[in-house]
Amino acid sequence: GENVEQHPSTLSVQEGDSAVIKCTYSDSASNYFPWYKQELGKRPQLIIDIRSNVGEKKDQRIAVTLNKTAKHFSLHITETQPEDSAVYFCAARWALGQLTFGSGTQLTVLP
Amino acid sequence: DTGVSQDPRHKITKRGQNVTFRCDPISEHNRLYWYRQTLGQGPEFLTYFQNEAQLEKSRLLSDRFSAERPKGSFSTLEIQRTEQGDSAMYLCASSEKDEQYFGPGTRLTVT
Repeated sequence: GENVEQHPSTLSVQEGDSAVIKCTYSDSASNYFPWYKQELGKRPQLIIDIRSNVGEKKDQRIAVTLNKTAKHFSLHITETQPEDSAVYFCAARWALGQLTFGSGTQLTVLP
Repeated sequence: DTGVSQDPRHKITKRGQNVTFRCDPISEHNRLYWYRQTLGQGPEFLTYFQNEAQLEKSRLLSDRFSAERPKGSFSTLEIQRTEQGDSAMYLCASSEKDEQYFGPGTRLTVT
């Protein structure tokens, strides 16, 4: 089965700085890589995703890059704001559509 | 609200009792997933339906767990003879294509 590793587990940045979270996956057959943001006590919220035929995708302050050869993908958040503080999860999809999640990154944006 | 809904939101039960949770997916979504999330971890896949057919079950899913999706609409997840280790957040997600959208979850506490 798929295995997804996520780093770092915690990340603190100053407001306005950039944040980068990295994930690696094990199954070369994985073809879809979403990122979720989860605030305390709330549901995971899909914020951006990328498919294996694309190397980069951007949506306003958020971007995701994918390196299929190295089997890793990253989330980039620019101009961070206090409301970006949350736990972020990467995931990879293989087989019949189930997602395998990383262990999460607690992002804190300091004002 | 046209998002994924789950009921109940919280459930406290005594060890050995049976519990049942319900998930109502987004109406046009034919795929429905159950995940379990414990504190500080990413969601773990439990099972997956396409329409009414249960296509995949995780090895995490012991025989005390059963899920149904009659008529391909809402789904139920039943846990029989609950154990303290079953305490977790049970999340439901639905999708039409790649993107999976999560419900608010049912928090189960087994005392």
